Amino acid sequence: QQQVKQSPQSLIVQKGGISIINCAYENTAFDYFPWYQQFPGKGPALLIAIRPDVSEKKEGRFTISFNKSAKQFSLHIMDSQPGDSATYFCAARVAGNMLTFGGGTRLMVKP
Amino acid sequence: DVKVTQSSRYLVKRTGEKVFLECVQDMDHENMFWYRQDPGLGLRLIYFSYDVKMKEKGDIPEGYSVSREKKERFSLILESASTNQTSMYLCASSPGSPRSNQPQHFGDGTRLSIL
Repeated sequence: QQQVKQSPQSLIVQKGGISIINCAYENTAFDYFPWYQQFPGKGPALLIAIRPDVSEKKEGRFTISFNKSAKQFSLHIMDSQPGDSATYFCAARVAGNMLTFGGGTRLMVKP
Repeated sequence: DVKVTQSSRYLVKRTGEKVFLECVQDMDHENMFWYRQDPGLGLRLIYFSYDVKMKEKGDIPEGYSVSREKKERFSLILESASTNQTSMYLCASSPGSPRSNQPQHFGDGTRLSIL
């Protein structure tokens, strides 16, 4: 039983488009929501993270939107580039506990 | 830059064998983790260690054990490998408390096939 449900499993976007990956959770005790990016043949690396006291966090072309009432958060990649092609994992943590990861989204950005 | 090194990129073993996966980190991090990565299931925590000789079970510890005799090295052991343990195994490390928001730094993974 996955506590963090991620969708879609795979996504194809044209260069310059917006990539959107969604995650939903049930446990209202989660208080930290990171996103990890994994390139083929490499381990995941922290991309961006948010806490539930803010509704949005932006770092360059990457934005996390957080909807506490809907228990959803999403990653938006603006002006998507072929170099963004990777697998993206959302995650969540209850304070004092370990990270719970979503199932992953494989993003392909076509030139 | 933090470096987490996993000893093998690919490994093929037979059912019933005892398998060792090795991981070394060079940043003097207190915590080390072993995950397995399967399509659609994301990363699932097998075991973690917050100090030398200290360990805790993660979400899926059955069939695995771990060893941390030195701070920089964390080993995952499959006591008697089975085909359902065919997977990508990822090692990670982080500083401070294992339950803090410090980012985890991952190795590049070991793809293990059990025949």
